[in-house]
Amino acid sequence: GENVEQHPSTLSVQEGDSAVIKCTYSDSASNYFPWYKQELGKRPQLIIDIRSNVGEKKDQRIAVTLNKTAKHFSLHITETQPEDSAVYFCAAGTNAGKSTFGDGTTLTVKP
Amino acid sequence: NAGVTQTPKFQVLKTGQSMTLQCAQDMNHEYMSWYRQDPGMGLRLIHYSVGAGITDQGEVPNGYNVSRSTTEDFPLRLLSAAPSQTSVYFCASSRTGPNQPQHFGDGTRLSIL
Repeated sequence: GENVEQHPSTLSVQEGDSAVIKCTYSDSASNYFPWYKQELGKRPQLIIDIRSNVGEKKDQRIAVTLNKTAKHFSLHITETQPEDSAVYFCAAGTNAGKSTFGDGTTLTVKP
Repeated sequence: NAGVTQTPKFQVLKTGQSMTLQCAQDMNHEYMSWYRQDPGMGLRLIHYSVGAGITDQGEVPNGYNVSRSTTEDFPLRLLSAAPSQTSVYFCASSRTGPNQPQHFGDGTRLSIL
């Protein structure tokens, strides 16, 4: 089955700096790569996603890049703010069946 | 739209008891899934359903049953609760499958004593 590895497990940055979280996947059939943000005690919520026919996608301060050959994708957050502090999860999904999540990255943005 | 609604929000059980976690969605989504979230271990898939009448196992199905008699509802049953099942349980739905954004419920915090 699919295996998704996420790094780092914790990340601390100063406000205004950039943050990068990386994930690798194993199943070449995976074609959908979402990122979810989970604030403490809340539900995970989708912040950005990318499909396998696209190499990069950007939404304001958030961007995701995908390298299909190397089977890895990354989340980039620029100009970080304290409200970006949360746990971020990557996931890999196929056309049918299961979605597999990474173990999460706890991002702390220090004012 | 209420989205994905889970009940109860909190529950404490004794070892050996059974219970059902309820999940309902009002978005007419075909795909529904149950995850458990343990500290440092992300979201692990328990069971999923691609439509009414169809269910399948995820990564950690042992000790849990599901059914999908309607598009809207996807209950998760704990047959005989064990302390190892202490966790936060999330139900999620997406329009057609795992290649679509998933909408999560607020979760059920379950403690097994």
